[in-house]
Amino acid sequence: QSALTQPASVSGSPGQSITISCTGTSSDVGGYNYVSWYQQHPDKAPKLVIYDVSNRPSGVSNRFSGSKSGNTASLTISGLQAEDEADYYCSSYTSTNTVLFGGGTKLTVL
Amino acid sequence: QVQLVESGGGLVQPGRSLRLSCAASGFTFSSYGMHWVRQAPGKGLEWVAVIWYDGSNKYYADSVKGRFTISRDNSENTLYLQMNSLRAEDTALYYCAKDRQLVTTAGLDCWGQGTLVTVSS
Repeated sequence: QSALTQPASVSGSPGQSITISCTGTSSDVGGYNYVSWYQQHPDKAPKLVIYDVSNRPSGVSNRFSGSKSGNTASLTISGLQAEDEADYYCSSYTSTNTVLFGGGTKLTVL
Repeated sequence: QVQLVESGGGLVQPGRSLRLSCAASGFTFSSYGMHWVRQAPGKGLEWVAVIWYDGSNKYYADSVKGRFTISRDNSENTLYLQMNSLRAEDTALYYCAKDRQLVTTAGLDCWGQGTLVTVSS
């Protein structure tokens, strides 16, 4: 059960767009449409921002969007705001009925 | 509103046991899968275990299989994690989280604030 692969860090200026990738295998990301993304601010619990690859929970800004191609999922945040600065984690359902998380990506808003 | 409150964490010696609890409120507990997820200090999220809405199926991360047991009491709206043979590498903040569905989808839409487990002699 190796973690999904995410870049350690990304950055962008206010108003810009950024994309965070999440790479797995055909046994997890590529095999199911159960990819989720979480936002975690320091010393806070994670918050679901995308589920089932591209769906937003109620209350999450439409600046957050998700997609998937093959074994790689992506989270895009458009119109970056200072409050978006946080750690972001992807997760996926797997063929063994378990869940895998990515290693996390630190987003810095310049 | 939907709320999850974990308890039971603390300092424990290697090889000993600990049981965590998670009290749920604000939703129909018996209709959703429930997970435990942990986060070691300064590290990323690690999924630990899931139990389906009716307790019929349970799945574990390889790192805890055979040592940890997830269970639930739907009459008491409570989730549990029995942790045996604890190791230093089990030191982490343990979150309980609610799945969006009856079973496992990896979409965890509500999280508690976590309970800290420290394994040290």
